[in-house]
Amino acid sequence: QSALTQPASVSGSPGQSITISCTGSTSDVGGYNYVSWYQHLPGKAPKLIIYDVYNRPAGVSNRFSGSKSGNTASLTISGLQAEDEADFYCSSYTDSITLVFGGGTKLTVL
Amino acid sequence: QLHLQESGPGLVKPSETLSLTCSVSGGSITSRGYYWGWIRQPPGKGLAWIGTIYYSGSTYYSPSLKSRVSISLDTSKNQFSLKLTSVTAADTALYYCATSTLGNFEAFDFWGQGTMVTVSS
Repeated sequence: QSALTQPASVSGSPGQSITISCTGSTSDVGGYNYVSWYQHLPGKAPKLIIYDVYNRPAGVSNRFSGSKSGNTASLTISGLQAEDEADFYCSSYTDSITLVFGGGTKLTVL
Repeated sequence: QLHLQESGPGLVKPSETLSLTCSVSGGSITSRGYYWGWIRQPPGKGLAWIGTIYYSGSTYYSPSLKSRVSISLDTSKNQFSLKLTSVTAADTALYYCATSTLGNFEAFDFWGQGTMVTVSS
């Protein structure tokens, strides 16, 4: 199975909104509403911020939102803050009953 | 609040077996609907799923590792384990254990801090 495709990097200024895309196929992203997003800070454990495409776990800021269109899922961060700077990964359930991650996107807050 | 902690050798020789354990506290590994997984991150690279075990014992593995990996539950110790055979330098990575308490195969909401494993002679 191939990794989901994410942009290597994105950037934005404080207060702005950014969107990170995650492209797969009909066998994973496009076929199921089982896409999650993780925020990963260096030296820390990844943190689940979105699951099942749209849902936020308890305690996660509503500045994070998820969506999906066809084979592409997206994570939007609004009101960008310096503390949001991290690596972001998407993951998806697949029709082989496996899990696949995206290659990761480095977010830089300018 | 669940707490997960990985343990195991930090150095493994090529061709040998990598064995890691994830100790779980604050909850039971037999909790209905929970998934328990292993994910790794090679140096300078992204996250990669290794495999998942359901609370019932059903296992699911990455196709690229399926011939070398096994994951099991130890209910007596409230732990789950990873074994990866015939390791090479390509298996050098930060290994995480994680769980989905949401009943979702893909959504790991609690993670351990990770343990670095280096494959070298």
